[in-house]
Amino acid sequence: EPEVTQTPSHQVTQMGQEVILRCVPISNHLYFYWYRQILGQKVEFLVSFYNNEISEKSEIFDDQFSVERPDGSNFTLKIRSTKLEDSAMYFCASSARVNQPQHFGDGTRLSIL
Amino acid sequence: TQLLEQSPQFLSIQEGENLTVYCNSSSVFSSLQWYRQEPGEGPVLLVTVVTGGEVKKLKRLTFQFGDARKDSSLHITAAQPGDTGLYLCAGDSTGSQGNLIFGKGTKLSVKP
Repeated sequence: EPEVTQTPSHQVTQMGQEVILRCVPISNHLYFYWYRQILGQKVEFLVSFYNNEISEKSEIFDDQFSVERPDGSNFTLKIRSTKLEDSAMYFCASSARVNQPQHFGDGTRLSIL
Repeated sequence: TQLLEQSPQFLSIQEGENLTVYCNSSSVFSSLQWYRQEPGEGPVLLVTVVTGGEVKKLKRLTFQFGDARKDSSLHITAAQPGDTGLYLCAGDSTGSQGNLIFGKGTKLSVKP
């Protein structure tokens, strides 16, 4: 069964450094999403992306965050200057259409030191 | 701000028992999805409910969407140890571009 894949599974970065999290969505899906889950808290929406544009973003997704689809298969989340509070699991998801079921990857655990 | 409240937060039962977990909100959702999440993994989609009053069955799991599309429930019949995990509900808010709002989850433990 097709699945969303994320790399790396664990990323450790010094505070202030840039980090790029990578995702390969399901191949025929058109909508892509990033979510994060701080330890012990609920999954929170960051951003949705369609047709090479951000469709919707949350208050969490400030100027330090950016997303890109650099080629036909990858979808990336960049955090420009990481803060301690950025430590979390970051999940990528994709769906065939907007408001269709979203399928999640296994996440990247980001640890900021 | 739309919120989804799940209850109970924790549930520990014996194999063979039945259980129901709830997902409630004061807001209307265009659809609601149930996921199961294992430690260290991403949420895995179980079912999507769209129509008010809809009931969907997945083997021993029965999902119901409230008539007003503000709440949902998951009922498991004859629970097995393999059902152990974190069950999450997530709502698709009306007019959103895929912004799923998640509940905190129900952590289910089924003891043999």
